[in-house]
Amino acid sequence: AQSVTQLDSQVPVFEEAPVELRCNYSSSVSVYLFWYVQYPNQGLQLLLKYLSGSTLVKGINGFEAEFNKSQTSFHLRKPSVHISDTAEYFCAVSGGNDYKLSFGAGTTVTVRA
Amino acid sequence: NAGVTQTPKFQVLKTGQSMTLQCAQDMNHNSMYWYRQDPGMGLRLIYYSASEGTTDKGEVPNGYNVSRLNKREFSLRLESAAPSQTSVYFCASSPRGANVLTFGAGSRLTVL
Repeated sequence: AQSVTQLDSQVPVFEEAPVELRCNYSSSVSVYLFWYVQYPNQGLQLLLKYLSGSTLVKGINGFEAEFNKSQTSFHLRKPSVHISDTAEYFCAVSGGNDYKLSFGAGTTVTVRA
Repeated sequence: NAGVTQTPKFQVLKTGQSMTLQCAQDMNHNSMYWYRQDPGMGLRLIYYSASEGTTDKGEVPNGYNVSRLNKREFSLRLESAAPSQTSVYFCASSPRGANVLTFGAGSRLTVL
């Protein structure tokens, strides 16, 4: 079975500053990794995904993530955040023939002016 | 272009009451899922349906039942609600064997 640990539950950040959200996974098989975003009172929407190929993945809204197999990590970054990036972010993993997603506990990002 | 539609959006129940959460998708997806979201615990899978006619337990199935009514619809039933089932419930769908999910807007359930 796969599992995900998000290392930060809350990340406060000032507008136009960079942000990094940390995600580590565990799996005995090859993995597929995802970041989802949940804006207040909404459902989850896909930010980006790693299925195979290049380890640097670019997503929507200027976010990117890097898959690091040796460190079993998939950290999410944005070089300059906006107030509108205030949301909860979830890292998720699936692996092998098991296509079901396992989610981390989430990281709440609060962007302040 | 509705995607995944859940009803109701909000519900308050008393302990022991029953209710059904409805979910429908219009993307011709084969697989559907029910998750619950609780603070600090992320999303946990309750039940899923890989394809029409099949359902399987997820991580936290106790106290719930599901029905895959047809390819479009997947309902979640609480037969005797308990305060521990107070949560936000999300339905999601995906193409067969794919792991990119499309989520509904959620249903907030409070059990008193």
